[in-house]
Amino acid sequence: AQSVTQLDSQVPVFEEAPVELRCNYSSSVSVYLFWYVQYPNQGLQLLLKYLSGSTLVESINGFEAEFNKSQTSFHLRKPSVHISDTAEYFCAVRGIQGAQKLVFGQGTRLTINP
Amino acid sequence: EAQVTQNPRYLITVTGKKLTVTCSQNMNHEYMSWYRQDPGLGLRQIYYSMNVEVTDKGDVPEGYKVSRKEKRNFPLILESPSPNQTSLYFCASNKQGSPLHFGNGTRLTVT
Repeated sequence: AQSVTQLDSQVPVFEEAPVELRCNYSSSVSVYLFWYVQYPNQGLQLLLKYLSGSTLVESINGFEAEFNKSQTSFHLRKPSVHISDTAEYFCAVRGIQGAQKLVFGQGTRLTINP
Repeated sequence: EAQVTQNPRYLITVTGKKLTVTCSQNMNHEYMSWYRQDPGLGLRQIYYSMNVEVTDKGDVPEGYKVSRKEKRNFPLILESPSPNQTSLYFCASNKQGSPLHFGNGTRLTVT
C-alpha cells in the first residue's frame, strides 16, 4: 500500500517569487509519481510525472519536480510564479505493478498575491 | 478531442433518492475509476474497473455501485444517497501504465 503526505495545506506567495510544494510518500513497492493541478472549478490536469530515467522532471509551464528515492520525496518547485498559477496541487503515487489506483495527498492550495 | 465526460456537473438531491452519475471516455482506455474529493482529504478512490465486466472496490466503496457493460461507460450509482456523500466526484480513465485522464467533476449535494 502507498500513502502520500503533502506537508502544507496552503502556501501563499507573492508574484514572481519562488515556490516549493512539498510531497513525501511511503510505499513498499516501486512507484510512479505525479503532480496534478486543479484550477478553480475545473477537473484535475496532469502537471508532470516521474516514471523512470532522470529524477528531475519538468512541465511546459516552468514547474519542475525531483524524485528523491532516499528521502521518498517528490517536491514541486517553480523559480518564479504568476497569478495564473493559483490553483490546488495534488501529489499522487501509483505502484508500478498491479492495480492502477492513484493514491493522492491532501492537496496544497497555492495562492499568488500581486 | 480526447476526453472524459461526466454528467451532470452539479446535482442537488434529497436523502434516499437514487441517482446515477454518468461517465464516458472516447480514448478506448481499459481502466476507469471513480474518486471523491473532500477538503483536507484529497481524492480517494471509490471503485475502479480494469475492463468490461471487471470492477473492484477502492478505498471508500460503501454506499456506491458501479457497472461496466461497455468499455467507454462507467456510471456511478448511489442507491440511497445520504448527506455524507455530499462531495465532488471525478471519473478517470487510463491505459495501463499511463497517467489518468480526469473528467471535469460532478458536485453532488445531498440534503
